[in-house]
Amino acid sequence: GDSVTQMEGPVTLSEEAFLTINCTYTATGYPSLFWYVQYPGEGLQLLLKATKADDKGSNKGFEATYRKETTSFHLEKGSVQVSDSAVYFCALTTPNSGYSTLTFGKGTMLLVSP
Amino acid sequence: DTEVTQTPKHLVMGMTNKKSLKCEQHMGHRAMYWYKQKAKKPPELMFVYSYEKLSINESVPSRFSPECPNSSLLNLHLHALQPEDSALYLCASSQDAVAGNTIYFGEGSWLTVV
Repeated sequence: GDSVTQMEGPVTLSEEAFLTINCTYTATGYPSLFWYVQYPGEGLQLLLKATKADDKGSNKGFEATYRKETTSFHLEKGSVQVSDSAVYFCALTTPNSGYSTLTFGKGTMLLVSP
Repeated sequence: DTEVTQTPKHLVMGMTNKKSLKCEQHMGHRAMYWYKQKAKKPPELMFVYSYEKLSINESVPSRFSPECPNSSLLNLHLHALQPEDSALYLCASSQDAVAGNTIYFGEGSWLTVV
C-alpha cells in the first residue's frame, strides 16, 4: 500500500538557520503530495502542495519539489523563525485510492530557538 | 485562515453523556471528513461523506455516529464513550471526494472523556 516516511524529530534549530525536513513516499500511480503544518493546540493547515512531477510548491518561505525519480518531497526554508515551531506532516493522495483520502507520515516536530 | 469551522473547541464529557461535535464549511465543497488525532500521532480517517452520503466508515465503533444534514454541515454524535476516545477530532472538506483533491482541515475539537 501507499506510505510516507519522514525524518524523525524533533528538529532543533536556531532562528535564521536553514531547514530541511526529508519526506519520501511509496505509492501506486501518480500521487499528489502535500505538506501540512500543525501549530501547538491547533488543527492542520495546508502549507503547500504539488500535483505532478517537477512541480514546486511554495508558501510562507517554505518550498518543496516533487521528485519522481527519487520519490521525495523534501520541505525546505532558507531562514526559520521562532514562529515556525510546529509539527510538519508530509502526506499524499493517489488516484488508486478511489476517494480523496490522505496517507500521512508520522510528523516531524520543529523547534526554533531565538 | 481555515474556512472549516468546528464547535465546540473543547468538550469534556462523562462516559454516560451524549454530546455532538459540529462542523461547517462555506467553500461549496461536496466531500466532508472526520479524522481522529491522538497526541504525537498523525490524523486517522474515521468517516468520508460524499454528496451528503456516507462513503467510507473506517470500522469506527458505533458509539461514534456521523450525520451530514446538508452539503455544508457535518456532525459527529457521541454516546457512551470511553476515556481512550479522548483526542483531537478534526473535520475536513474537499471539492469532492475524487482522489487527489486538496483536503482542508478545521481547527479541531479537543475531546476529553472522564
